[in-house]
Amino acid sequence: SAVISQKPSRDICQRGTSLTIQCQVDSQVTMMFWYRQQPGQSLTLIATANQGSEATYESGFVIDKFPISRPNLTFSTLTVSNMSPEDSSIYLCSVIGRTEAFFGQGTRLTVV
Amino acid sequence: KQEVTQIPAALSVPEGENLVLNCSFTDSAIYNLQWFRQDPGKGLTSLLLIQSSQREQTSGRLNASLDKSSGRSTLYIAASQPGDSATYLCAVFLDAGGTSYGKLTFGQGTILTVHP
Repeated sequence: SAVISQKPSRDICQRGTSLTIQCQVDSQVTMMFWYRQQPGQSLTLIATANQGSEATYESGFVIDKFPISRPNLTFSTLTVSNMSPEDSSIYLCSVIGRTEAFFGQGTRLTVV
Repeated sequence: KQEVTQIPAALSVPEGENLVLNCSFTDSAIYNLQWFRQDPGKGLTSLLLIQSSQREQTSGRLNASLDKSSGRSTLYIAASQPGDSATYLCAVFLDAGGTSYGKLTFGQGTILTVHP
């Protein structure tokens, strides 16, 4: 199994500002995944973060809005840039341990 | 494009009932299927993982089955308890080949309420 620590657990931010979410894993992993869960919705994959290369973004998500860093095999950050109320969501990071997916506890973001 | 559907969207039952949650997916070329539980405003807790070669997995009062050819999985909860109240999500892994590995496609979830 993998233990994932995600910070902050929640935040309330002003529109137009940016928030960086951190994800720390207790073991080395090749890929880390960032998901968004909008209110009342299921999870949607934002991007896949590989160490040492650019993140791969899913359709509808762009690097300028959601820049991702992956400086080593246990850590990643997701920044939500120039926030608007539509960005209010839970953001979750995930890793794969052998065959199973593990998730952090999520960051609940409210943009006012 | 893989699509995952969960039925029902919401379920309310009295304590002690056995219940079944359904999950269907459009592309049978999946690697694994995983069931999760999510409490309000929280992250996801893994309940059961079924690999594509398996037909079912059991953990305590939970039993998950997989019929890959028909694109269906069910989660059976026996003797439900108020503490089981949560949203239950199923997710499928795309086939392990290429760069798709690790990406999950989620259903919309079933909101379960178990009344004392």
